[in-house]
Amino acid sequence: NAGVTQTPKFRVLKTGQSMTLLCAQDMNHEYMYWYRQDPGMGLRLIHYSVGEGTTAKGEVPDGYNVSRLKKQNFLLGLESAAPSQTSVYFCASSYAASYSNQPQHFGDGTRLSIL
Amino acid sequence: QQPVQSPQAVILREGEDAVINCSSSKALYSVHWYRQKHGEAPVFLMILLKGGEQKGHEKISASFNEKKQQSSLYLTASQLSYSGTYFCGTAYAGNNRKLIWGLGTSLAVNP
Repeated sequence: NAGVTQTPKFRVLKTGQSMTLLCAQDMNHEYMYWYRQDPGMGLRLIHYSVGEGTTAKGEVPDGYNVSRLKKQNFLLGLESAAPSQTSVYFCASSYAASYSNQPQHFGDGTRLSIL
Repeated sequence: QQPVQSPQAVILREGEDAVINCSSSKALYSVHWYRQKHGEAPVFLMILLKGGEQKGHEKISASFNEKKQQSSLYLTASQLSYSGTYFCGTAYAGNNRKLIWGLGTSLAVNP
């Protein structure tokens, strides 16, 4: 019963470095999401995917790229990390749903610090 | 477009009740409720759908007022385990594959 697994759990980067966050789900969900959570800001959607090979921008997509080459995986990339990208990143997944009538299942988060 | 949650924070004694509200300025298709404990991931509680259908937790109830575009989460006979931050996420017509989240309501239940 792994559910949604995020790797790594913690990471410290220097400004300008790049990295990729991996999200894997074993529930055969069609939809996957990447959020960032900052103190007092709630959850903000970065990018999402409604199926293998498809991605779309969320509220705060600048500075991030994503790929969904396999249905079970959703990758979030930071090409040139900036201190403003210091945050906790959550991945979530759900079954395909009209009008978002299916719950989202969250991973445990990745705590990322950019120095 | 972001839903507004109220109150921002609540402090209860064990056994007391609380109501958390989530209001939108746009017509809603669904409202999700999640609870997040410090340092953990959000956990699903409830979905309310336009038309009145509910999916979710046995011990927590909620309502969805379509005319007011508002949902309320009712926590009755609160337990220590209810402590955490409660978030609502909302889906709108034309934007129904993703949720827009409120800023959260912090709930502390004390013995």
